[in-house]
Amino acid sequence: DAKTTQPNSMESNEEEPVHLPCNHSTISGTDYIHWYRQLPSQGPEYVIHGLTSNVNNRMASLAIAEDRKSSTLILHRATLRDAAVYYCILGSQGNLIFGKGTKLSVKP
Amino acid sequence: KAGVTQTPRYLIKTRGQQVTLSCSPISGHRSVSWYQQTPGQGLQFLFEYFSETQRNKGNFPGRFSGRQFSNSRSEMNVSTLELGDSALYLCASSFQPGSVSGTQYFGPGTRLLVL
Repeated sequence: DAKTTQPNSMESNEEEPVHLPCNHSTISGTDYIHWYRQLPSQGPEYVIHGLTSNVNNRMASLAIAEDRKSSTLILHRATLRDAAVYYCILGSQGNLIFGKGTKLSVKP
Repeated sequence: KAGVTQTPRYLIKTRGQQVTLSCSPISGHRSVSWYQQTPGQGLQFLFEYFSETQRNKGNFPGRFSGRQFSNSRSEMNVSTLELGDSALYLCASSFQPGSVSGTQYFGPGTRLLVL
């Protein structure tokens, strides 16, 4: 079973920041937190990952709670191209366990 | 660098047949993982290969098998196809074995329809 909980869907306006939450209360000390997204008719695309500290890259930022039981993916300025299903995943024992993800809609 | 390629992109088979899907990882990547995606079950891990050895296996019946060649290309085989095997089959490659800490790069998938 997936070990993460995400809202089924979220909406955002174009060029506004988006905060996508994820709960993972059963996370273990060695679990990395990964975020992938899947655009329509494409395979999943890596977004960002982290272990304990907040992480930034050119696509997004990952904020990890101090107790690591939750995290938030931050898209600083949503564009129409960011409309996708976003998956928060714990990497455990050598494979990724995907949940249902959050479908993000971006309005112009 | 070329991305992960999967062939064929689309496939139609009938129940009872078998099918072989192919995946070519990104150059230099030695780990290949396979996933099944269906509307009902979402993305589910099938198995992972690294240096021609299966490292991890998901909860799928023995009809699903795979292998990896010395050039890191991988194939997965499904025997005695069932209607429920209709799905998008995704391949992902990574440099390091396992996906716990590394990044996986996914291919576009092979869409299999079983009639």
